[in-house]
Amino acid sequence: GDSVTQMEGPVTLSEEAFLTINCTYTATGYPSLFWYVQYPGEGLQLLLKATKADDKGSNKGFEATYRKETTSFHLEKGSVQVSDSAVYFCALSLNTGFQKLVFGTGTRLLVSP
Amino acid sequence: DAEITQSPRHKITETGRQVTLACHQTWNHNNMFWYRQDLGHGLRLIHYSYGVQDTNKGEVSDGYSVSRSNTEDLPLTLESAASSQTSVYFCASSEFRDDSPLHFGNGTRLTVT
Repeated sequence: GDSVTQMEGPVTLSEEAFLTINCTYTATGYPSLFWYVQYPGEGLQLLLKATKADDKGSNKGFEATYRKETTSFHLEKGSVQVSDSAVYFCALSLNTGFQKLVFGTGTRLLVSP
Repeated sequence: DAEITQSPRHKITETGRQVTLACHQTWNHNNMFWYRQDLGHGLRLIHYSYGVQDTNKGEVSDGYSVSRSNTEDLPLTLESAASSQTSVYFCASSEFRDDSPLHFGNGTRLTVT
């Protein structure tokens, strides 16, 4: 079935370090891909998205490129801040119009000063 | 501003009791979803609705029910609460479009004793 696999956390970094969180997917057809972020005590919110191969989504310094050949959508940021500490979820949507998302298990990021 | 509101934020109940969690959105979205979040599992879909009078089962629907009598509300009912249903529950809504983001509420933490 359709699924999303993320690297296990927590990922622990110092401020200004480079971040990569790996995400790979398995899907029939050509899904849309998303990264959502969850700050403590809150619901998830969309961070970025890509709807077709080679698209790059970007927001708040984060980037991810839709790689169809490797079925991946890795999240990157050049210089993390303490305020980036959160749980990050990779997700896919099967393009049926119904927006049923399949989520990965989430990766917790901890950034220390 | 449009929003999605869940209530209560926290709930403690006893095994066997019926519990209803409320979800209200002012986005005027047709799509509404209920997820549960558990460590190691990420978010799992419980039930979803694509419009008034429409409801569908997700991957973990046993023991849960929903009803959609208007666009704004999708209450989630646990018919007879079990300890395995202790979790954090998130409601979300979206437009009927493949790349439309989900808008999440802040969650309800339910403890079944």
